[in-house]
Amino acid sequence: GAVVSQHPSRVICKSGTSVKIECRSLDFQATTMFWYRQFPKKSLMLMATSNEGSKATYEQGVEKDKFLINHASLTLSTLTVTSAHPEDSSFYICSAQLGGGAPWETQYFGPGTRLLVL
Amino acid sequence: EDQVTQSPEALRLQEGESSSLNCSYTVSGLRGLFWYRQDPGKGPEFLFTLYSAGEEKEKERLKATLTKKESFLHITAPKPEDSATYLCAVSNAGGTSYGKLTFGQGTILTVHP
Repeated sequence: GAVVSQHPSRVICKSGTSVKIECRSLDFQATTMFWYRQFPKKSLMLMATSNEGSKATYEQGVEKDKFLINHASLTLSTLTVTSAHPEDSSFYICSAQLGGGAPWETQYFGPGTRLLVL
Repeated sequence: EDQVTQSPEALRLQEGESSSLNCSYTVSGLRGLFWYRQDPGKGPEFLFTLYSAGEEKEKERLKATLTKKESFLHITAPKPEDSATYLCAVSNAGGTSYGKLTFGQGTILTVHP
């Protein structure tokens, strides 16, 4: 139980193009999903919190116009990196909390998406 | 500001050599402490959630404990497949940190056969 998938697992794109990453909770409904970024040999950095049917809440320093988040259903959230540049290359990981649970409930993580911008 | 410090940064063990990983935290109003395992190139895999001091949880060779200031992840008779980075995180239900996880830097565990 509590399986989260991400697609694609790896993507290479040219500078200036946009990339969409999907995050799905496969066997549960997730009211809240989170998006993280992880640099090599570093811990996870929270980018934004996404609630179904409402606008995402971005962490300080994260450009909301560059990292567009849509949480259209209780099982799907998407992250779109717009006009990607080489400095956006990173490992992006989503997580999901069980719907209806307290905000401090366990987050279950997806397998991650490796983005390389050339 | 919430802070999580994990030690050691790296730990090398021989197969069967038991040890412990430490997670010290400073948080105003702990709501949950979480342990995850992360393999290279993968997302974190959930291990345990601890909610109150004195709580303990076990899973196979792993046992997590919690006090008011720190948590330990005890590994008994580890095997090479236990090699991974172990992440500790805390959740704070107060103020702007509501529901968010603050992660430590992780402990890289290597178990040699």
